[in-house]
Amino acid sequence: SYVLTQPPSVSVAPGQTAKITCGGDNIGSKSVHWYQQKPGQAPVLVVYDDRDRPSGIPERFSGSNSGNTATLTISRVEAGDEADYYCQVWESSSDHQVFGGGTKLTVL
Amino acid sequence: HLQLQESGPGLVKPSETLTLTCIVSGDSITSGDYYWGWLRQPPGKGLEWIGSIFYTGNTFYTTSLKGRVTISVDTSKNQFSLNLNSVTAADTAVYYCARQPGDYGSASHCDHWGQGTLVTVSS
Repeated sequence: SYVLTQPPSVSVAPGQTAKITCGGDNIGSKSVHWYQQKPGQAPVLVVYDDRDRPSGIPERFSGSNSGNTATLTISRVEAGDEADYYCQVWESSSDHQVFGGGTKLTVL
Repeated sequence: HLQLQESGPGLVKPSETLTLTCIVSGDSITSGDYYWGWLRQPPGKGLEWIGSIFYTGNTFYTTSLKGRVTISVDTSKNQFSLNLNSVTAADTAVYYCARQPGDYGSASHCDHWGQGTLVTVSS
């Protein structure tokens, strides 16, 4: 089965840039999607198809995907960005939706 | 304005069947552009996809639950349902329903989620 690997935690100071990685075998050939989940809330889609943003998501959230690593970049980090972030792909060879283990973003 | 709302019991006994329904409003479940999925999140853990259904009845299920899970759709009521049988404490989780852009052959991501419902498996 396809595995997505995320760092358990990332810390960043307010106003700085946070980068959250998602590793997978040749993940650059797949479409990667990212979710933000705050405590007690349902996940919210923040980036889809590698780099597109749903309406209402700030431009501070951006994505990239190449080789074996996809990256979610959050610019000018705010306290309200503190949350768990999950990457996800649809693995077409097995028809499975696969999630990474999640990364807890801490704003210092 | 699309809304998804999970409904069902919050407590299920071990070995029994967990049944949840997702009521969809603001969009037709027969739209050809979406799958409709179930996901779950055990307390303190990450997200797990359970399965997805197209309005025609085409389904995908996670391998880890295959044999215990059935997802069905009721187009007349604009809702879809999850049945998970022979539950154990390991099935205790917040269960979410979600809309998934895609076509008949595959789903993609989850662009809208229900608020989630906690199901506890305990005697």
